[in-house]
Amino acid sequence: AQSVTQPDIHITVSEGASLELRCNYSYGATPYLFWYVQSPGQGLQLLLKYFSGDTLVQGIKGFEAEFKRSQSSFNLRKPSVHWSDAAEYFCAVGALNYGGSQGNLIFGKGTKLSVKP
Amino acid sequence: DSGVTQTPKHLITATGQRVTLRCSPRSGDLSVYWYQQSLDQGLQFLIQYYNGEERAKGNILERFSAQQFPDLHSELNLSSLELGDSALYFCASSVRGEGTEAFFGQGTRLTVV
Repeated sequence: AQSVTQPDIHITVSEGASLELRCNYSYGATPYLFWYVQSPGQGLQLLLKYFSGDTLVQGIKGFEAEFKRSQSSFNLRKPSVHWSDAAEYFCAVGALNYGGSQGNLIFGKGTKLSVKP
Repeated sequence: DSGVTQTPKHLITATGQRVTLRCSPRSGDLSVYWYQQSLDQGLQFLIQYYNGEERAKGNILERFSAQQFPDLHSELNLSSLELGDSALYFCASSVRGEGTEAFFGQGTRLTVV
């Protein structure tokens, strides 16, 4: 069955420190991978996506992620965390369906990021 | 602002009642998706419509139904509500085409008392 695992429920980092959020997926076909961020009381905002090509993808807000097929992973990284990055982060896997439109997404349980001053 | 509009933002209702959640997709988007976010289950895909037709179904209960209208807005109907239906319901939309992604609305927070 298709699934996404985010092993870390909660991570705390100091402001200015580097960050890596882990994501592993199980998907039969070529996956399309996403990272979303959700601030308290807000909707989901797309940080970055991987469809094909370069396995290191750049996103908004200084985030990047690397697709590693051999490890079925798509970890999210940021070299220097800012206090405003405190939020919940969701990894998701999906596929294109009819007509190439975005198919439904399977989400991980999320990782809550706290940032210490 | 993603361009996806969901109304209402908050809804409080009693068990056994029926409610309708509304979603207006981004201009030009043909696909609409509904997701439920709860503490127990996390974010779960419920159903997808594409240009008025049901395209995919996820973990949607029989008490729930949805439709997409000719103007492409969508409604999610929840009936015989139970306490466990309390959750944040998201709508997302996407265009047809390679490399596109879904844009999410702010959600409707449903509280069943």
